[in-house]
Amino acid sequence: DAGITQSPRHKVTETGTPVTLRCHQTENHRYMYWYRQDPGHGLRLIHYSYGVKDTDKGEVSDGYSVSRSKTEDFLLTLESATSSQTSVYFCAISEYKLGGADTEAFFGQGTRLTVV
Amino acid sequence: GQQLNQSPQSMFIQEGEDVSMNCTSSSIFNTWLWYKQEPGEGPVLLIALYKAGELTSNGRLTAQFGITRKDSFLNISASIPSDVGIYFCAGHAREPGTASKLTFGTGTRLQVML
Repeated sequence: DAGITQSPRHKVTETGTPVTLRCHQTENHRYMYWYRQDPGHGLRLIHYSYGVKDTDKGEVSDGYSVSRSKTEDFLLTLESATSSQTSVYFCAISEYKLGGADTEAFFGQGTRLTVV
Repeated sequence: GQQLNQSPQSMFIQEGEDVSMNCTSSSIFNTWLWYKQEPGEGPVLLIALYKAGELTSNGRLTAQFGITRKDSFLNISASIPSDVGIYFCAGHAREPGTASKLTFGTGTRLQVML
């Protein structure tokens, strides 16, 4: 298994509070991603990073921010949590390899976030 | 954005039967991936496809990259109870070396009867 640890694994928070989810990897992979998973929508990309301090938006980035100060850590922050952000959040990593193998993203175990 | 249609949405089959599922896209991809997800876990990569027409196997699993580059198929032969889970296709349309922004299908839920 790829060395990816997400924390916390479960969290319940109140509407309007800030929340930070952490993804830690031990693989020294360049690319890191945050996805959310909701019934009927599959996995949707929130933000991704292609290096330390280099990040970009995915398809559902509104209400989320990210930071990557070290290769191994990628943080996802909900500045002011809303009920629509109740979801399961997955971190993924990948690395550039000749032949296109850097599309092979490997996932963490997920964080279940409930906003009440 | 790109859309991936995955079918069927769910399957309930007998142990020992073969299973087929597919994924179609509104646009061309140059990479197709198949993942399996079990309850409470993250998706696990099963098979990766990089060339149109490519046929790749992983044990009882076989996947194909469609000739049109807009579809992919996954077959599971002689299903067993541990095949239960949700299977996701994912496609990618960027050039090598740039960030991997996969588009995922909505999944096929597989249940196996003993």
